[in-house]
Amino acid sequence: DIQLTQSPSFLSASIGDRVTITCRASQDITNDLAWFQQKPGQAPTFLMYLAYSFDSGVPSRFSGSGSGTEFTLTISSLQPEDFATYYCHQINSYPLTFGGGTKVDMK
Amino acid sequence: QGQLVQSGAEVKKPGASVKVSCKGSGFPFTGYYIHWVRQAPGQGLEWMGWIRNENGNTKYAETFQGRLTLTSDTSTSTVYMELSGLRSDDTALYFCTRTSYCGPTTCRGNWFNPWGQGTLVSVST
Repeated sequence: DIQLTQSPSFLSASIGDRVTITCRASQDITNDLAWFQQKPGQAPTFLMYLAYSFDSGVPSRFSGSGSGTEFTLTISSLQPEDFATYYCHQINSYPLTFGGGTKVDMK
Repeated sequence: QGQLVQSGAEVKKPGASVKVSCKGSGFPFTGYYIHWVRQAPGQGLEWMGWIRNENGNTKYAETFQGRLTLTSDTSTSTVYMELSGLRSDDTALYFCTRTSYCGPTTCRGNWFNPWGQGTLVSVST
């Protein structure tokens, strides 16, 4: 199984901060990685998939990069609605797996 | 892009089975794969498997082989997730979600969107 390790697990930040979350895969998954945002009591929502230049309506302050085994999600200027937990997810091979999550809360 | 609406919360005893539904609307139901993902309290996300609505083909995570059954009723655009032999560690929020395609070894090029609202399944004596 492909393990996804996210870091950090917890992150305290302020409005306007630049936030970077890392996701490392246990083996090469090319660019078959997606990112999700989840708020308490809600279902995850899709942010982006790195294989495509994808206009999903997600605010432009969110960006993703990486390939192979190391990936990052960056929020260029943190907004109040961005306080949430973020998950990376690989769809390269079965079983499909998720990272352990990064909780972004207010400093 | 469509919507997925799930059935309500369930409380079950250990050893019982649970059946959760996921109804699709606003998209051509037979053209998609429906996946199930669960989340134990305070924990991360765990993929369970998928069903191809067009023909009923399924793919299950090994963890759930023998306990998980996914079925699709195209007449009502509804997918059912049945989990048997329930244990206390099956207590979780169960989500359905959708991809356009998955192959025998990969779902590359696809992503989970949208998601159902989640169904809490509690297993307790």
